[in-house]
Amino acid sequence: DADVTQTPRNRITKTGKRIMLECSQTKGHDRMYWYRQDPGLGLRLIYYSFDVKDINKGEISDGYSVSRQAQAKFSLSLESAIPNQTALYFCATSDLRLAAGGELFFGEGSRLTVL
Amino acid sequence: KNQVEQSPQSLIILEGKNCTLQCNYTVSPFSNLRWYKQDTGRGPVSLTIMTFSENTKSNGRYTATLDADTKQSSLHITASQLSDSASYICVVTRMDSNYQLIWGAGTKLIIKP
Repeated sequence: DADVTQTPRNRITKTGKRIMLECSQTKGHDRMYWYRQDPGLGLRLIYYSFDVKDINKGEISDGYSVSRQAQAKFSLSLESAIPNQTALYFCATSDLRLAAGGELFFGEGSRLTVL
Repeated sequence: KNQVEQSPQSLIILEGKNCTLQCNYTVSPFSNLRWYKQDTGRGPVSLTIMTFSENTKSNGRYTATLDADTKQSSLHITASQLSDSASYICVVTRMDSNYQLIWGAGTKLIIKP
């Protein structure tokens, strides 16, 4: 089984619908992240969490929200999906501070298409 | 402006050949530089992480170099295999941030038999 599991792997939805992408991890890491990847661009950070009660906005949080239900679970929600949120979404975890050399461990990705 | 630029955008080589991918960055303050391999439709996987004081780091057939003075890094792949076909992404971590990574757009490498 994968250490970082994302569901669903693929989702097609319509504009205005609410969507939740879920992430669970078995690595025991406190730090969790949600990234978005668009063709030709680097990954962009949406939200991150360093603990169950800690939620922080990243570079592109508008239109998204997150919930850290437990150490192992971090969910990303699109309250009202729009076509330009069509992208590949990745959940990641790390054991240490990234500036201290902490490694990032990624899930397999969730491909979201908004029509 | 904090940026990471990679070249070439894409590269096709024959199986068994070597290749070198380039990364230039303008990120400050610098903490570390990472190279990731990303297979199509999969999550990135870490190849190397280098700090300011490291100028070479190897992981099997992958060797990364770092010149912190010129703010350049390279990833050299030796004796390429079909499984090396992937995107290779250069990422720089800022020293003054707990979370901020500056991601390059990646080099798409195709290995042909």
